[in-house]
Amino acid sequence: NAGVTQTPKFQVLKTGQSMTLQCAQDMNHNSMYWYRQDPGMGLRLIYYSASEGTTDKGEVPNGYNVSRLNKREFSLRLESAAPSQTSVYFCASTLDYENQPQHFGDGTRLSIL
Amino acid sequence: SQKIEQNSEALNIQEGKTATLTCNYTNYSPAYLQWYRQDPGRGPVFLLLIRENEKEKRKERLKVTFDTTLKQSLFHITASQPADSATYLCALSSSGNTPLVFGKGTRLSVIA
Repeated sequence: NAGVTQTPKFQVLKTGQSMTLQCAQDMNHNSMYWYRQDPGMGLRLIYYSASEGTTDKGEVPNGYNVSRLNKREFSLRLESAAPSQTSVYFCASTLDYENQPQHFGDGTRLSIL
Repeated sequence: SQKIEQNSEALNIQEGKTATLTCNYTNYSPAYLQWYRQDPGRGPVFLLLIRENEKEKRKERLKVTFDTTLKQSLFHITASQPADSATYLCALSSSGNTPLVFGKGTRLSVIA
């Protein structure tokens, strides 16, 4: 039972390059989320998808786009990477949007030079 | 502005003692509050959820309290062990339709 799988685990980019972070869950969950985690800042929500076919901005959406490809997959795209986007990115899912524990992947460590 | 504060960045305790971690919030009316554990290099793992109308929740050696008057949740680990060493995150949501917001976490070290 894989849970939430994120790929890649590590990535180094140059400023201005584009990149898509992939996330897939096998728990038949309806809601999915993308967070970034920076030292001293905690987890901050970038975008979320309450259900298949919908996406909404979170606290820090600038510089990112998302696609809910199907019920299982939710991708995060950096169109033109900037050093300020160096972070650890976590994907999470919940059964439904309301009042549910979140299941996290183990993150993508992204460095932008 | 809305704030979630976890009382300290780091907490060291001796093995066998009870660890108590604090989560305070301002300008929220949370419907529920969650606690997570995060180990280095891993994603957070859900531990407990407590609703606004519940005062206390227990799971094995873990206990969470939720005081909406004090705007505070306490997270206790009894008979702590070195394996309990991790960062613990609190998270809350004002209602079912608003996203979960996380605190910055407290790094707990249990010393043998």
